[in-house]
Amino acid sequence: NAGVTQTPKFQVLKTGQSMTLQCAQDMNHEYMSWYRQDPGMGLRLIHYSVGAGITDQGEVPNGYNVSRSTTEDFPLRLLSAAPSQTSVYFCASSYPGSSGNQETQYFGPGTRLLVL
Amino acid sequence: AQKVTQAQTEISVVEKEDVTLDCVYETRDTTYYLFWYKQPPSGELVFLIRRNSFDEQNEISGRYSWNFQKSTSSFNFTITASQVVDSAVYFCALSDLTGANNLFFGTGTRLTVIP
Repeated sequence: NAGVTQTPKFQVLKTGQSMTLQCAQDMNHEYMSWYRQDPGMGLRLIHYSVGAGITDQGEVPNGYNVSRSTTEDFPLRLLSAAPSQTSVYFCASSYPGSSGNQETQYFGPGTRLLVL
Repeated sequence: AQKVTQAQTEISVVEKEDVTLDCVYETRDTTYYLFWYKQPPSGELVFLIRRNSFDEQNEISGRYSWNFQKSTSSFNFTITASQVVDSAVYFCALSDLTGANNLFFGTGTRLTVIP
């Protein structure tokens, strides 16, 4: 198993450009999530999905779109990049678990994004 | 609302010393989960432990141990006989309210082990 993979590893954008960060997992996990990590702020949830065709917003969703057409893939789209979106982006996946039971999220290696 | 506080921003220890990383949390949930992740200099996030709020037993895994105390809302992490490879940022996290296994993270503690 490759686990959770993310591409690209590093990207530089100009303000106003759009791009898609790719995330894929081969563990048949139903749940997938996107976080961003900024210095001194830990990780914050952007969007998440509990299955194909189902997405929802997290703590910091503005400026980002997601879709989930397959179980394996969960791309994150930046519509019009801004310097405030300079960050490290992590994708995570997990099994749904039984009712009331929280399963462990497994993280991809991250994408470092610089917006000039 | 969920809150996780890691008051120690940075810690430096000399190799072979013991070190404890503090984590204090706030939640109104009666059932919740706590996690620790390690982020080495290479940047990936490595899962270390998951603990259910009903299980207050301390856990030991090799040189790592965790002390969960509901009375003080703390879930502290101790590394015994630290090694240079332990140098990393350590994050404590709490299950959030989305019901989708998402986590609310603390701001992390950077541990530097000096040889």
